[in-house]
Amino acid sequence: DTAVSQTPKYLVTQMGNDKSIKCEQNLGHDTMYWYKQDSKKFLKIMFSYNNKELIINETVPNRFSPKSPDKAHLNLHINSLELGDSAVYFCASSQDVADYEQYFGPGTRLTVT
Amino acid sequence: GDSVTQMEGPVTLSEEAFLTINCTYTATGYPSLFWYVQYPGEGLQLLLKATKADDKGSNKGFEATYRKETTSFHLEKGSVQVSDSAVYFCALGGGADGLTFGKGTHLIIQP
Repeated sequence: DTAVSQTPKYLVTQMGNDKSIKCEQNLGHDTMYWYKQDSKKFLKIMFSYNNKELIINETVPNRFSPKSPDKAHLNLHINSLELGDSAVYFCASSQDVADYEQYFGPGTRLTVT
Repeated sequence: GDSVTQMEGPVTLSEEAFLTINCTYTATGYPSLFWYVQYPGEGLQLLLKATKADDKGSNKGFEATYRKETTSFHLEKGSVQVSDSAVYFCALGGGADGLTFGKGTHLIIQP
């Protein structure tokens, strides 16, 4: 069983489109995260949710909107995609906010043309 | 704020060589320290961790010791294999932003 899964694995789209990436964890964790990894492999946290509530919201354009329908799911919706949004997006989860041991999904490679 | 500095790559070694990847950190309080590994085309996997000073984390032949006096958590392995080729991330946990990652070190092991 996959602990943290993401769909789709690859996403190619044109500038200006709106797209969503889905994430699910079956670990029973309370806290979920979204990270962006750029072409140089640098990882930066974007959002964190604990029990469906937003707890971390880094300086991210408001075109990015996370949604957590329940604590096992954290989806990322992106409006008006730009070339600079091209990256690999990782979802992760941890037992709770005080547990820094995180489990990562396989990533979604987004390419904006 | 918290930060992690690790050696730039790529690091290229021959099989069975000794590996050290340096990692130093800046943090307030007493963070937990982690090494994650990312194999090509995959997500990050936790390799090892240490939660307090002088703790040694170990896994798959890799080791790292939490050194508070030098604010370091260097990753070592006595004899690397081709299958160890990956990107290695040092990270600290303890701030308000969850995990803070270093920039990653690309390790290439040649047969």
